[in-house]
Amino acid sequence: EAQVTQNPRYLITVTGKKLTVTCSQNMNHEYMSWYRQDPGLGLRQIYYSMNVEVTDKGDVPEGYKVSRKEKRNFPLILESPSPNQTSLYFCASSLRQGAPYEQYFGPGTRLTVT
Amino acid sequence: GEDVEQSLFLSVREGDSSVINCTYTDSSSTYLYWYKQEPGAGLQLLTYIFSNMDMKQDQRLTVLLNKKDKHLSLRIADTQTGDSAIYFCAESIPASKIIFGSGTRLSIRP
Repeated sequence: EAQVTQNPRYLITVTGKKLTVTCSQNMNHEYMSWYRQDPGLGLRQIYYSMNVEVTDKGDVPEGYKVSRKEKRNFPLILESPSPNQTSLYFCASSLRQGAPYEQYFGPGTRLTVT
Repeated sequence: GEDVEQSLFLSVREGDSSVINCTYTDSSSTYLYWYKQEPGAGLQLLTYIFSNMDMKQDQRLTVLLNKKDKHLSLRIADTQTGDSAIYFCAESIPASKIIFGSGTRLSIRP
């Protein structure tokens, strides 16, 4: 089954404790992206990757890192999480960036930083 | 800059039609999308329209595009409880990122 998987689905952590949210897709997509969803703000892009070893900042990259060592995986790293990073995070992938390619979303990771 | 705007909430009675509206600013957008997010899930593409079209119909869904006013709407006929979700409008051009609106939460009352 074609899908995007994320782990963990739920995470509660404390300020400053490094964490990684994994994302994997099995559709051989070149383009992958991370978003955060906050009430009233919709989806804001954190980082994206056009292909292996090619990553770039989205609209809200501060406090986040990513890597794209393999085509299928695109982990999101929070080196020193802070409470303002409490949010719902989505990973997405598409064959290539932009129209007309559909984005496929993972199920989301709800992160709480205390 | 690019921006996509939607109202945050819509409540309709079961069986009525729902109309969700969206405005966008980028006149070069070639594709406009509607994504649906059900509770506890990621977004899923519901339908899309190419910018040279005025209307697209797919079963209970009708998408209307007014390019002059940069206005997009999604009409859901005979709204059911399973249509309760957040609906995101989005725009895109080739080789560029997709821009999402803030989402409209559709609730259905009996």
